[in-house]
Amino acid sequence: SQQGEEDPQALSIQEGENATMNCSYKTSINNLQWYRQNSGRGLVHLILIRSNEREKHSGRLRVTLDTSKKSSSLLITASRAADTASYFCATVSQGAQKLVFGQGTRLTINP
Amino acid sequence: DADVTQTPRNRITKTGKRIMLECSQTKGHDRMYWYRQDPGLGLRLIYYSFDVKDINKGEISDGYSVSRQAQAKFSLSLESAIPNQTALYFCATSGVGGSGNEQFFGPGTRLTVL
Repeated sequence: SQQGEEDPQALSIQEGENATMNCSYKTSINNLQWYRQNSGRGLVHLILIRSNEREKHSGRLRVTLDTSKKSSSLLITASRAADTASYFCATVSQGAQKLVFGQGTRLTINP
Repeated sequence: DADVTQTPRNRITKTGKRIMLECSQTKGHDRMYWYRQDPGLGLRLIYYSFDVKDINKGEISDGYSVSRQAQAKFSLSLESAIPNQTALYFCATSGVGGSGNEQFFGPGTRLTVL
């Protein structure tokens, strides 16, 4: 079964607004990663946050991690039409060497 | 040039046929993975390999086999394709340590089994 559960499954906002996506997981992790997938294409790595980190930034992306709640959030600020894509969280469990993906959030940015 | 390439990009086949999907990478990574993605779902791991002599089953390996011909090449085979193997298939690679399992994906192969 998949480790991560994203919420919401779909999100539609206006260009310029901020988009927040959440991910919950079940077991203790080594790190959590966020990926973006444009329609029908391969996934692209966005950001990795380790279990001992609480927040990380990369450009317009901000990721938080709360290990006590087993949850993470991805915030995209000042959204653009080009941010339209599906976003997946993926976890690496402690002692494991492979990623387990959630089902993704489909983000639509309306111009 | 793309770092991770997959061939073919699209394939339509019939039930019972043997199909091979190929993956090549120029990133020099030891670790390679095969995933399948079904509409509206995340990726599920089929097989993975941490070096040329290492092959491991993933979450959904039944009906699939793999071959790691070289560090740069990892092939996925469907010995006798069935319609519920219709999906988008992705190959991925990762290095060891450093970035901690960040994976780099190929463009995908869209497989349709009639």
